[in-house]
Amino acid sequence: DQQVKQNSPSLSVQEGRISILNCDYTNSMFDYFLWYKKYPAEGPTFLISISSIKDKNEDGRFTVFLNKSAKHLSLHIVPSQPGDSAVYFCAASQDFNKFYFGSGTKLNVKP
Amino acid sequence: DTEVTQTPKHLVMGMTNKKSLKCEQHMGHRAMYWYKQKAKKPPELMFVYSYEKLSINESVPSRFSPECPNSSLLNLHLHALQPEDSALYLCASSHGYSNQPQHFGDGTRLSIL
Repeated sequence: DQQVKQNSPSLSVQEGRISILNCDYTNSMFDYFLWYKKYPAEGPTFLISISSIKDKNEDGRFTVFLNKSAKHLSLHIVPSQPGDSAVYFCAASQDFNKFYFGSGTKLNVKP
Repeated sequence: DTEVTQTPKHLVMGMTNKKSLKCEQHMGHRAMYWYKQKAKKPPELMFVYSYEKLSINESVPSRFSPECPNSSLLNLHLHALQPEDSALYLCASSHGYSNQPQHFGDGTRLSIL
């Protein structure tokens, strides 16, 4: 049973607009959440994270929002750029050595 | 450029072969991980080494044998694999304490004939 779910396998956005990627989790004990970006033929690259004591974390064009009551995580990319086209994985952890990953959302940013 | 280096990038082997996957990091990380990823699926944790000791084995079949010779190196020894073991094998490392991300290598694409 998957504890972290990304229900949208793909998302297409126009360059310059906002991209919103969503993630849901079932385990209320998760206390650390991350987003990774993956290009073809490369490993996942760490993008941004958030601790469960926060509800928002921002890094440049990337913002992660955490809604603990809804067990929902989202990644906002503003403005979206063609180079952002990749597969995005969310991940969650309750034990600093064990991470659970969603199945990924493929983002396509059209020029 | 990834700071976690995996070799080889691709490996094709028969079911009776013995081979090893290698992973190296020089970030001073004390935790290292092996993941298996099938197409359109999330990475699945296989093993975790913390301070060079095996701390997590996710009930992985014994045909996969991990080894951590030192804090910078992680190996995965393969023997008598099955065709369903064909997948992308990812290595990752982290500082090994809370609220620290994992950093991944580019993976080894393994095909079992």
